[in-house]
This record gives sequence, C-alpha cells and structure tokens, in this order.
Amino acid sequence: AQKITQTQPGMFVQEKEAVTLDCTYDTSDPSYGLFWYKQPSSGEMIFLIYQGSYDQQNATEGRYSLNFQKARKSANLVISASQLGDSAMYFCAMREGNTGFQKLVFGTGTRLLVSP
Amino acid sequence: GAGVSQSPSNKVTEKGKDVELRCDPISGHTALYWYRQSLGQGLEFLIYFQGNSAPDKSGLPSDRFSAERTGGSVSTLTIQRTQQEDSAVYLCASSLQNMAGGLAKNIQYFGAGTRLSVL
Repeated sequence: AQKITQTQPGMFVQEKEAVTLDCTYDTSDPSYGLFWYKQPSSGEMIFLIYQGSYDQQNATEGRYSLNFQKARKSANLVISASQLGDSAMYFCAMREGNTGFQKLVFGTGTRLLVSP
Repeated sequence: GAGVSQSPSNKVTEKGKDVELRCDPISGHTALYWYRQSLGQGLEFLIYFQGNSAPDKSGLPSDRFSAERTGGSVSTLTIQRTQQEDSAVYLCASSLQNMAGGLAKNIQYFGAGTRLSVL
C-alpha cells in the first residue's frame, strides 16, 4: 500500500501568492514524523519542515507551514508569498516509529513552478 | 559547518564494471543513510548505518550492492558488475539523535548526490 501520496504532479503559482501542496499518509504506528523536502534542479534535497505525530500545533518555519490534520492523515505544505526561487520539486516523507533512525518513505513529489 | 559531501558528483561507467560511491556525513552525525532516486522508482531507501553497523539493509536491490562505513564517518557504496538499470542518482543523508515533543526528530540532511550512468 502507498504510504505517502502526493496527488499533484505539478502546480503553478504566481509570485507573491500562497500555494498548498498536498500530502496524505498511511500508517498504523502512533509514533511517526512527517517531513517536507525541496529538490531544486541542482539535485540536492533540502529539508524544509518537520511535524511529529504528537505535536499539538502545526509546524511553521518562516514562509513554510504544515497543515497537519491527523484524523484525515494529511500533512499539506503551505508556502506563503511565493518567490521565483521556490520553483522546484517538493517531496513529502514519513518516518514510522520512535527510535528516530528508520528510513524515510517518500511520495512521488510535486513540481512547483512560480511565475513572475 | 560543512554539509554532507558526496563524490563523485557524476560517474559514467560501462556495463559490467564495478563502481564506488563515497559519502562524507556531517561531522558528529551518528546515522548515515543511502537512497536511490530514479525516474521509474522515485526515491528508494537502500541501507542505513548507525555508527559502523548497518541495522537495516533491506533496501539493497541485489547482492551486487554493498556498503560499508568506517570510523563512524565516511561510507562507501559499491555496485559490482553494474547494469543499465543501476543508472540513477544515489543520495546520501546523515542525522543526529534529537528529541522533540516526545519523538525522535532526527532530521536527515542530504548531500547533492552522485549521478550514475551505466552505458
């Protein structure tokens, strides 16, 4: 079964607007972490934001926020005030368990294009 | 400080040859991970190290793939008798134990990858 689902292969947004990238996940483990990474054309995976399954509040990191809806098993990334440099692939990932050293399972990614 | 360093950045090899890919993790990071990114399969886990031991090597696709880590630092991923389906970007990540909100957060930080092309 697909553990992480990203249903949007591509998204377009105008500069300075907000955009939401969708991510749903599937797990029966009560302890898990959710991560978003950005992969520009250079290829490096850049960590953006983390949400733990026990966190009561949605995570925020600068212009990035995570809309965590635990009952719906969704962890959407919201990018506010989009910039041209935000154009990249975005991957949602999950790590199950609580030792912290399990593998990440990734979704198929969403390609975001920001236009002037 | 320095991030995760991978070398070479690009490697072109002929089918049947052996290749070695190197990863130098962030200093002090105890865990090291290898992933593979290919067009058909997306991002796949290969193996992870805690110190010099590999508790999870479940993602290695065949016995042609092996990895080692020495001194709790640098890791080498070796692919023997390369095949065309081995062509991919091989990504390395490292992490440190870090608790937050009752969970191990342990952010994995990635290198820029090695792009392997098998002709």
